[in-house]
Amino acid sequence: NAGVTQTPKFQVLKTGQSMTLQCAQDMNHNSMYWYRQDPGMGLRLIYYSASEGTTDKGEVPNGYNVSRLNKREFSLRLESAAPSQTSVYFCASSEVSGANYGYTFGSGTRLTVV
Amino acid sequence: TQLLEQSPQFLSIQEGENLTVYCNSSSVFSSLQWYRQEPGEGPVLLVTVVTGGEVKKLKRLTFQFGDARKDSSLHITAAQPGDTGLYLCAGRPHPFSNAGGTSYGKLTFGQGTILTVHP
Repeated sequence: NAGVTQTPKFQVLKTGQSMTLQCAQDMNHNSMYWYRQDPGMGLRLIYYSASEGTTDKGEVPNGYNVSRLNKREFSLRLESAAPSQTSVYFCASSEVSGANYGYTFGSGTRLTVV
Repeated sequence: TQLLEQSPQFLSIQEGENLTVYCNSSSVFSSLQWYRQEPGEGPVLLVTVVTGGEVKKLKRLTFQFGDARKDSSLHITAAQPGDTGLYLCAGRPHPFSNAGGTSYGKLTFGQGTILTVHP
């Protein structure tokens, strides 16, 4: 089915470990996003990529890096995981940013940092 | 600072009841969207409203965008257990609003309303 695919679905890390969350979309969307979701906080934007070759910080970028590998793929890297990064991470895509298009979300990665 | 405040945060009702969820802000939005999220899944878009005062209906769901484009509501008539889930409003700050500037174009989410409909 067309959509946004995230891997892995679950991950447990020790403090200080690194990992990369993968995201791929097959809808030929230009813009891609990474959000984290915490109880009572809604979804907060970490980084986004308005188009291939560009990335920008969102509301909560500290401790994260991103790579827009090509039009389809947008990865999120945690270089040195901290317990505060325990969260559910969602990747999303849209046709373009700054317009009224809706976002298509992946099913999320549940990350626990111990 | 939360640009969008949703209320209530939790709602537990019986099948057949009506309910309204509110999404409020002091900022003006170019557009506002509502999403529904089920456990273990990502949010799914329900509707986009663009014009101040706009009303859209999706079966038993009615969405309204405030005249000043600062608030929105979601009304569900005769709720069913299948309506259970997390409802999120999300808005794009208007470029000339007090939340515009670097926020322009980026979708900002409310904290969500958890709805439980009991059979």
